[in-house]
Amino acid sequence: DMKVTQMPRYLIKRMGENVLLECGQDMSHETMYWYRQDPGLGLQLIYISYDVDSNSEGDIPKGYRVSRKKREHFSLILDSAKTNQTSVYFCASSLRGDTEVFFGKGTRLTVV
Amino acid sequence: KTQVEQSPQSLVVRQGENCVLQCNYSVTPDNHLRWFKQDTGKGLVSLTVLVDQKDKTSNGRYSATLDKDAKHSTLHITATLLDDTATYICVVGDRGSALGRLHFGAGTQLIVIP
Repeated sequence: DMKVTQMPRYLIKRMGENVLLECGQDMSHETMYWYRQDPGLGLQLIYISYDVDSNSEGDIPKGYRVSRKKREHFSLILDSAKTNQTSVYFCASSLRGDTEVFFGKGTRLTVV
Repeated sequence: KTQVEQSPQSLVVRQGENCVLQCNYSVTPDNHLRWFKQDTGKGLVSLTVLVDQKDKTSNGRYSATLDKDAKHSTLHITATLLDDTATYICVVGDRGSALGRLHFGAGTQLIVIP
């Protein structure tokens, strides 16, 4: 079953706390992505990973970092979360950046 | 600057009616265009992908067109069902490889009423 799994689905954090969002895929896809979705805007790319330890900044990387130590896992880390990082975060994967992209169900993060 | 514009922003139709969603973009190059359906609180699910200069696809009650010369795409939904209530997102890929980027529209919110 081709799947992208995100954990947790919902998260509330206080400003200044660290946040870890996890993403896994079972398709051995090389390319993985982290996006955020805000009302009225299209998804914005935070980071892209081309394979293990091969990560590149997207369009809005400030305040975020990522880790990919295994092909099937891609983590998004917020060091000292800010209120403007309240958003819905989506992880996605594709085979070598192919046209087919699979999305997780999203993590709704609220920073208070 | 937004490179993918979708219209209308929102749309209400009665069950059984047809509807058309529009997508205009300025992304260059434009390798492919994909339409996604996003149910409330859920992830994006691919409906169809268009690749050719002038392309048409059909997937059940969903059909789509792409005109790369006009940088314009449409998504047609025929005989709408209540389950079609969702946000429909147009995404343009500037390459068909990992080096490419996906450019997302903000979506059209479709509400189907009985």
